[in-house]
Amino acid sequence: GAVVSQHPSWVICKSGTSVKIECRSLDFQATTMFWYRQFPKQSLMLMATSNEGSKATYEQGVEKDKFLINHASLTLSTLTVTSAHPEDSSFYICSAPDSSYEQYFGPGTRLTVT
Amino acid sequence: KQEVTQIPAALSVPEGENLVLNCSFTDSAIYNLQWFRQDPGKGLTSLLLIQSSQREQTSGRLNASLDKSSGRSTLYIAASQPGDSATYLCAVRLGDMRFGAGTRLTVKP
Repeated sequence: GAVVSQHPSWVICKSGTSVKIECRSLDFQATTMFWYRQFPKQSLMLMATSNEGSKATYEQGVEKDKFLINHASLTLSTLTVTSAHPEDSSFYICSAPDSSYEQYFGPGTRLTVT
Repeated sequence: KQEVTQIPAALSVPEGENLVLNCSFTDSAIYNLQWFRQDPGKGLTSLLLIQSSQREQTSGRLNASLDKSSGRSTLYIAASQPGDSATYLCAVRLGDMRFGAGTRLTVKP
């Protein structure tokens, strides 16, 4: 099956700094990728839809200036958490659909902001 | 707005039991429905994908059904094993995907 990778798998950063998370589709192209956030013991919540070559679409309540998304190519989307705060600590997961619209998920990135 | 509900929120069964997890969604205009497994602190593993035109999918001990008109899906796990312990999520896709809160399954040896 298709594979989606994320990097890094975990990151610790200081409050006020920015951190970038990469999502790559390894063996297929994805014009659309999705970013989710999951707080402990809660389900995944869609943050934004990343569109190759155009602006991302953000869900209500997600600050687009804080969570910068760049879909630079058909295999790479990045999520940058700017001016990170401890409440941004979470598990971030990306997904990409293949040509049959089956979703493949990355392994996730655990972000801890100290 | 599509809402996805999973019942029960948690389930504990002895090894060997057959069990059913339920998923309901409010908007029947879906493209597909997927069941996932998530182990603590890990990403998602896709278990079964049901297209909107299909009524069920089977993989090993797992069987998922879809009744789009009533907005329901069930995941049936036969002969449960301790290794099945995880959180099971269902998600429906129209444009993006919407997830249920999950069912936390514990299978006791």
